[in-house]
Amino acid sequence: ETVLTQSPATLSLSPGDRATLSCRASQSVSGYLAWYQQKPGQAPRLLIYDASNRATGVPARFSGSGSGTDFTLTIDNLEPEDFAVYYCQQRRDLLSFGGGTKVEIK
Amino acid sequence: QVHLLESGPGLVKPSETLSLTCTVSGASISNYYWSWIRQPPGKGLEWIGYVYYSDGSADYNPSLRGRVTISVDMSKNQFSLSLKSVTAADTAVYYCASLKYMYHFFWGQGTQVTVSS
Repeated sequence: ETVLTQSPATLSLSPGDRATLSCRASQSVSGYLAWYQQKPGQAPRLLIYDASNRATGVPARFSGSGSGTDFTLTIDNLEPEDFAVYYCQQRRDLLSFGGGTKVEIK
Repeated sequence: QVHLLESGPGLVKPSETLSLTCTVSGASISNYYWSWIRQPPGKGLEWIGYVYYSDGSADYNPSLRGRVTISVDMSKNQFSLSLKSVTAADTAVYYCASLKYMYHFFWGQGTQVTVSS
């Protein structure tokens, strides 16, 4: 079973800042990793798949990188609507999600 | 655009079976893999399992294997979740979703299920 560990648990930033979120896998998942955004009371929304491919309609300020066991989601120039919880998900070994990182307003 | 809608009882008694249905519109059930995910109150996402209509194959989270079954009804363009012997730990918002490249591209709005006597 592949365990995904996200850090930090909470990131306190201001609008206009850059957010850097980490997802580490307990074993290599190659490039098979996605990122989701979830706002309170809403279903998650796919942002990035296969580590670096933006889903349809996702703004260019969201970017993903990494391979193997270490992955990063970067959000440039944080907009007010970007404050949310972000999850990673791997598909290399069945499916599993990380525990999430909350991006909150400082 | 694929649209998914979960339905089923919002309250289930301990030791009974939780049954939910996801109705799909905007796509044929035969075109994708279909997944269930849940989220306990104040916690993160947990993948439950997925099913593929084409060969009827399904796979499940090892932590739930033995209690969970996911099946497809092509005639109704629906897929379903059955979770046996529930406890309070199964209280959660349950989401259905479509899988493309084994990522969750489209999600339902979610349905709250509470396990309580």
